Amino acid sequence: QKEVEQDPGPLSVPEGAIVSLNCTYSNSAFQYFMWYRQYSRKGPELLMYTYSSGNKEDGRFTAQVDKSSKYISLFIRDSQPSDSATYLCAMTWGAQKLVFGQGTRLTINP
Amino acid sequence: DTEVTQTPKHLVMGMTNKKSLKCEQHMGHRAMYWYKQKAKKPPELMFVYSYEKLSINESVPSRFSPECPNSSLLNLHLHALQPEDSALYLCASSQTPGLAVNNEQFFGPGTRLTVL
Repeated sequence: QKEVEQDPGPLSVPEGAIVSLNCTYSNSAFQYFMWYRQYSRKGPELLMYTYSSGNKEDGRFTAQVDKSSKYISLFIRDSQPSDSATYLCAMTWGAQKLVFGQGTRLTINP
Repeated sequence: DTEVTQTPKHLVMGMTNKKSLKCEQHMGHRAMYWYKQKAKKPPELMFVYSYEKLSINESVPSRFSPECPNSSLLNLHLHALQPEDSALYLCASSQTPGLAVNNEQFFGPGTRLTVL
C-alpha cells in the first residue's frame, strides 16, 4: 500500500463546475499538507499549504484536511479552462522529504 | 522575488558526456533540493542541501553528483548517464531546513534531460 493514494484520473468537467480533488494517506504522523498545480512540461506550483486539520481558503481554492479520516481535499470553484493541469497532493511529518500522490490530470472544458 | 531559476531548459547528452544542471534562488532560502520526475509520475527526491551541506541522499547513483557552492546556487553534475535517466530534473528551495508553518518548497521550471 502506498503512503499517499491519489486517483490519477483523468478528470474532465465543464467550465464553471466545482472540482473536488482528493488524497488519502496511511501515515498518521503527517502534519503538513500541500497541493501543487503542474502544467504540462513545467515545474510544480504551490497552491495551498495547510498545517494539521481544518480548512484554508484562497480565492477560488479551498483545501480541507481531515486527519481523523486521513483524507485531504482541494476544491476549485468556478473552474476555468486555465485550471487544466495535473494536481499533486504532497505531505510530510515535518522533515524535508515530501511524499507525493500520483497526481490527478484535470481538464476543464469550455 | 519568489522565483527559482534553472538552466538549461533542455539538455541532450550522450552516455559518455559530462554536463551540469544549474539552479539559483535569491529568496534567502537555506534548504535546496533536487528532484527527478518521469512522465506522468510525481517528483522523486534525489538530494537535499541544508545550509550548503548535503543532508539527504536518496541512494542516488554516483553518476549524479550534487554541489552547493553557496547559499543561492545548486548544481547537479552528470557523468556517464543512461537512457533511463532521461527525465525532468526539478530544483526546489525552502526557507529553513526542516518544515514548520510557512516553510513550503518552491519549485523551479525544471531541465528536461534526454540521454541518447
